[in-house]
Amino acid sequence: QVQLQESGPGLVKPSQTLSLTCTVSGDSISSDNYYWSWIRQPAGKGLEWIGRIYATGGTSYNPSLKSRASISVDTSKNQFSLRLNSVTAADTAVYFCARAEDINPPLFDYWGQGTMVTVSS
Amino acid sequence: SYVVTQPMSVSVAPGKTARIPCGGDNIGSKSVNWYQQKPGQAPVAVISYDSDRPSGIPERFSGSNSGNTATLTIGRVEAGDEADYYCQVWDSSRDHSIFGGGTQLTVL
Repeated sequence: QVQLQESGPGLVKPSQTLSLTCTVSGDSISSDNYYWSWIRQPAGKGLEWIGRIYATGGTSYNPSLKSRASISVDTSKNQFSLRLNSVTAADTAVYFCARAEDINPPLFDYWGQGTMVTVSS
Repeated sequence: SYVVTQPMSVSVAPGKTARIPCGGDNIGSKSVNWYQQKPGQAPVAVISYDSDRPSGIPERFSGSNSGNTATLTIGRVEAGDEADYYCQVWDSSRDHSIFGGGTQLTVL
């Protein structure tokens, strides 16, 4: 059974960098036909796709984040990570990591439970 | 950027059929996934590729996509179907996933 678990600080100060890690178990992060994504959800609002990374390191991001997001992968630890810089209160949300089947549209078939991140001084 | 729109809420009586639309410019030329999200939980895929059901999803869940509207249909609605439902497409011109704003399904 594939499992994903987010970890990282629950509180980040404005203008600082949000950093989260997703640990994958039950599957290799280098599996063919899949890639790994971050998705967030502000309280009471909808889902927002942040970006994706392949095990090879290839990435793409939501243009709305204006280059503030960066996703990296550590295949030796079976983890991938998100960095979001210059955060504001608008970045307060539950952050999910998810596995995506590399088809069109990508199917997010396994998700982490989500981790709440609050941006506040 | 491509935009998909959903109604904020849909209500249906138990045992009836719920239809949740997802609108977008010529969305019929794209494929659509649908997710169910219950409070405090991560989303779960209920429909892929417009009308395919992932393993474990009841046959009561079906999907269609044509013209400017994709539709998630839930037959014989049960209290346990009460949740938020999101449509999702891939914007190949900008290389990113797009979710609709979500529809809250209320079972009366």
